Formats: sequence, structure tokens, C-alpha cells
Amino acid sequence: DAGVTQSPTHLIKTRGQQVTLRCSPKSGHDTVSWYQQALGQGPQFIFQYYEEEERQRGNFPDRFSGHQFPNYSSELNVNALLLGDSALYLCASSIWSSRVGNEQFFGPGTRLTVL
Amino acid sequence: GEDVEQSLFLSVREGDSSVINCTYTDSSSTYLYWYKQEPGAGLQLLTYIFSNMDMKQDQRLTVLLNKKDKHLSLRIADTQTGDSAIYFCAEINTGGFKTIFGAGTRLFVKA
Repeated sequence: DAGVTQSPTHLIKTRGQQVTLRCSPKSGHDTVSWYQQALGQGPQFIFQYYEEEERQRGNFPDRFSGHQFPNYSSELNVNALLLGDSALYLCASSIWSSRVGNEQFFGPGTRLTVL
Repeated sequence: GEDVEQSLFLSVREGDSSVINCTYTDSSSTYLYWYKQEPGAGLQLLTYIFSNMDMKQDQRLTVLLNKKDKHLSLRIADTQTGDSAIYFCAEINTGGFKTIFGAGTRLFVKA
């Protein structure tokens, strides 16, 4: 089992551009969550996808959008990039259990730099 | 509101115990988690506690939960240099799917 994989590893964009980040969940997981982690901060919840629908969203503008495919993989899209969007973007996959709740497995992240 | 707070730094000597503290504000939190993040890596779930428990022990890790004060702690016994990392406290509430993370506590272990 490859665990959660994300691509690309690093990305450099300029202000105003658009970016797409990709995530493949751990085998058997049906839920994907995306987080933004700024330097020195904890991960901030962007949104969660389940059954190809956005199930819950954090306090992020509409410039942040996503998609989940039938194979449970997911994309995060960010439009009109701002300097403040520079961060590590983490994807986490999970499957709900009453024992652990939302046990999330994280990918290594995509480091986005906006110049 | 939703907020999770942690102290930013902790320094201990190898072999000592480390105690990392966390407070949270959401009284409806049902699951509370401790994650570990090593440099250049994603987060790894270390342990968790359900809100109706006071304590959970897992090898060198002990989690204590004071629900009245909304205070969570993680004790690492016999701390090793390999335990140097950032530790995040996180919560999730009933019927919610959003996990709220603290800013993380950076643990330094001196040999």
C-alpha cells in the first residue's frame, strides 16, 4: 500500500495564476480532506470530499475549489493566486470509524510558492 | 467558537519525560488527537482519546483529558532524540467532519 500520495512535490507560480494539486488516497479510504499549512502554523481545514461531493468547507474563499473522482482521488484548484497562498498543502484520506472517529492519513504535501 | 491552543516550544533532556499541553474551546468535541510532524513530512497520527475517557496509555505515550477545563495533555516517557518534532493537538466534534488543529508544539530533545 503506497499510502497517501500527492503531486507535485513543489510548485512555483506567479500571482494571478491558477494551480491544480492532486491527491491519491490510501487504499480503502473514501474521504479526502485538504489542508493549508502556512510556515510555523498548524494545518487549516480547506474542505472535505466524500462520495464526490464537498461535504464540509472551512473559511476559505471561493478561489479554492476541489473535486473528487469515482476512484476517490481528489484535486484542489486555486484560482487567482495571491502571495498569501504560499504554503504547504496537505491532503489527508480517511474512513470514519466509531473507534477512532476520523483517523486521517496524511500525504507529504505539496509546497506551493507564489511569487 | 473553535480554537485549539498550544505552547510553541518545549525543550527536554534525553531520558526525561515530556509533557505537551493543549486547550480547546469546543465543548462538543468528541475525539481529540495528537499528531506528530517531522521535518519535510506530513502528519502522523500518534494517539487519540474519546471525549468520555479521562486517560489513555499507549506504550510511552499517556494522554490525559480534563473535559471540565477543556485541557488535553500528551506525556512522552523516556524521551529520545528521535522524538524531536512538532506535535499538534486536534479536535473534531459530533456530526462534524472538520478537524481543528493547534499551531503545534516544537519539541527539542537534548542528548
